[in-house]
Amino acid sequence: GENVEQHPSTLSVQEGDSAVIKCTYSDSASNYFPWYKQELGKRPQLIIDIRSNVGEKKDQRIAVTLNKTAKHFSLHITETQPEDSAVYFCAASIPKGTPLVFGKGTRLSVIA
Amino acid sequence: EAQVTQNPRYLITVTGKKLTVTCSQNMNHEYMSWYRQDPGLGLRQIYYSMNVEVTDKGDVPEGYKVSRKEKRNFPLILESPSPNQTSLYFCASSLGTSGWDTQYFGPGTRLTVL
Repeated sequence: GENVEQHPSTLSVQEGDSAVIKCTYSDSASNYFPWYKQELGKRPQLIIDIRSNVGEKKDQRIAVTLNKTAKHFSLHITETQPEDSAVYFCAASIPKGTPLVFGKGTRLSVIA
Repeated sequence: EAQVTQNPRYLITVTGKKLTVTCSQNMNHEYMSWYRQDPGLGLRQIYYSMNVEVTDKGDVPEGYKVSRKEKRNFPLILESPSPNQTSLYFCASSLGTSGWDTQYFGPGTRLTVL
């Protein structure tokens, strides 16, 4: 089955700097890659997703890139702010009903 | 308000005492799922359901049971809880079963088994 590896497990950046979180997946049939953000004590919430027919997607300060050949995708956060501090999870899925497989998460700390 | 609800939010119990964590969604979602979250291990899927009366094992189903008798409800049952089931549990649902649908998570249930 699908296996998703996520790095780094923890990341500290200065406010205003960029943060990059990387994930690799094992199953070349995977074609949907969402990212979830979990603030302390809260539930995970979708922040951005990308499908395999697209190489990059942006939403304000957040972007996701996908390299299907290398089977990896990344989350980029620019101009980080303290409220970006959270745990971020990547995930991958194969279409037609197979469950999402999550990475182990990255704890991002933005230092003011 | 569209939401996924879980009850109880917090539970402390003892080994062997059967318990049920309820999950309900009011969005008419087809797909429902249970995860457990443990430090350093991320979100691991316990069971999922693609429709009423259809359930499947996830990555860590041992020690758990589920049922999907109605579309909106997906209870998680621990017949004989053990300390290694101490964890934070999340229920989630999504509109369809294509694998491309956003999953909406419940608020979580923190379970401690003594």
